[in-house]
Amino acid sequence: GAGVSQSPRYKVAKRGQDVALRCDPISGHVSLFWYQQALGQGPEFLTYFQNEAQLDKSGLPSDRFFAERPEGSVSTLKIQRTQQEDSAVYLCASRQIGASGRETQYFGPGTRLLVL
Amino acid sequence: DQQVKQNSPSLSVQEGRISILNCDYTNSMFDYFLWYKKYPAEGPTFLISISSIKDKNEDGRFTVFLNKSAKHLSLHIVPSQPGDSAVYFCASHTEYGNKLVFGAGTILRVKS
Repeated sequence: GAGVSQSPRYKVAKRGQDVALRCDPISGHVSLFWYQQALGQGPEFLTYFQNEAQLDKSGLPSDRFFAERPEGSVSTLKIQRTQQEDSAVYLCASRQIGASGRETQYFGPGTRLLVL
Repeated sequence: DQQVKQNSPSLSVQEGRISILNCDYTNSMFDYFLWYKKYPAEGPTFLISISSIKDKNEDGRFTVFLNKSAKHLSLHIVPSQPGDSAVYFCASHTEYGNKLVFGAGTILRVKS
């Protein structure tokens, strides 16, 4: 079956511009995660959804970052007034179950954001 | 505060030999450990996992060992193949946690 897909794959933004990044999780997966990966680092957690409920947004670096999953499927990560330090790869992952447990998260290919 | 550490930025191994990638963690509440492999311009791909109730898990050429007392895990790849060349990430979460905490990754190069 299809994996996690993300769009766009690459995005170049001018500083101050708003961007929206889309994630299509694996069909039927209840949990959805966003991670930010800076160059040379491992992914860092941003936020977590269980269905349409955003249960954890402790990793969002500032109030310029906003994520939603209104129908419990597709999710959008929005960054307002982008700054150069927002340049990174943004990864989306989904997991079949809702509750935490020993289940694997499956990652999409990521969106590489470059803010000039 | 890095809770998951991969202290070797890179590793080079001859084809057919064993690759050993190491990972240390500091959070004693971590309950589940995973290894992901990542090729350039792709997302991380799940490789193998182990829960804290085990000390070894094997899947084909890949074996993960967990030493809870030392807060250390390792991934063994035998025999190594050129297609194994990638960045390997160690990750973990607590029993009731959801977010994965990743190490910085180790670049593995398998030379033919």
